[in-house]
Amino acid sequence: SSELTQDPAVSVALGQTVRITCQGDSLRSYYASWYQQKPGQAPVLVIYGKNNRPSGIPDRFSGSSSGNTASLTITGAQAEDEADYYCNSRDSSGNHRVFGTGTKVTVL
Amino acid sequence: QVQLQESGPGLVKPSETLSLTCTVSGGSISSYYWSWIRQPPGKGLEWIGYIYYSGSTNYNPSLKSRVTISVDTSKNQFSLKLSSVTAADTAVYYCAREYFAAGILYSYWGQGTLVTVSS
Repeated sequence: SSELTQDPAVSVALGQTVRITCQGDSLRSYYASWYQQKPGQAPVLVIYGKNNRPSGIPDRFSGSSSGNTASLTITGAQAEDEADYYCNSRDSSGNHRVFGTGTKVTVL
Repeated sequence: QVQLQESGPGLVKPSETLSLTCTVSGGSISSYYWSWIRQPPGKGLEWIGYIYYSGSTNYNPSLKSRVTISVDTSKNQFSLKLSSVTAADTAVYYCAREYFAAGILYSYWGQGTLVTVSS
């Protein structure tokens, strides 16, 4: 079982804001990174560190963290944001890597 | 632009060893960590392990007894071997480059290759 827990699914109306959370003890000590995965495609990094976006990622994606919870926020969700989202960080030992359970985002 | 490409058999028999290779192009394999990540059909991502270009490794504890990751810097390739496979090992296997910048991140991924374990 994953040490990083995410809600299985969330939905958001087109143009509205949605927040996806990732919970785990290791997040008190380590940053999470976030990945978007569309069907049949490899994951794509969207947020890393405190709140960093790789080149080419729209600024409607943002990240934050508090205590044992990391969050990915999509402000003004677009139809193309409909995808699975995964967080990633170290496990509780700090020695290994672990992915979150994943959240399916539906844009209505 | 760094590109990664997985290659290997798409079908492996139960109890045999799964072997995959990831070829890195557009950049050197040196000075980075290189990872294997898998995704069973319809399920989430699972970190398998990584290798540093120098050869040091780190494996998922749940797979450690069956996993070997190796690197061939002369060919700009790294490889995965997973022994004693079962149907539970059926998955899309991705190779990725791990990088440290305010935490761990995977900015480059292969397209993934489906490996089915079946007799």
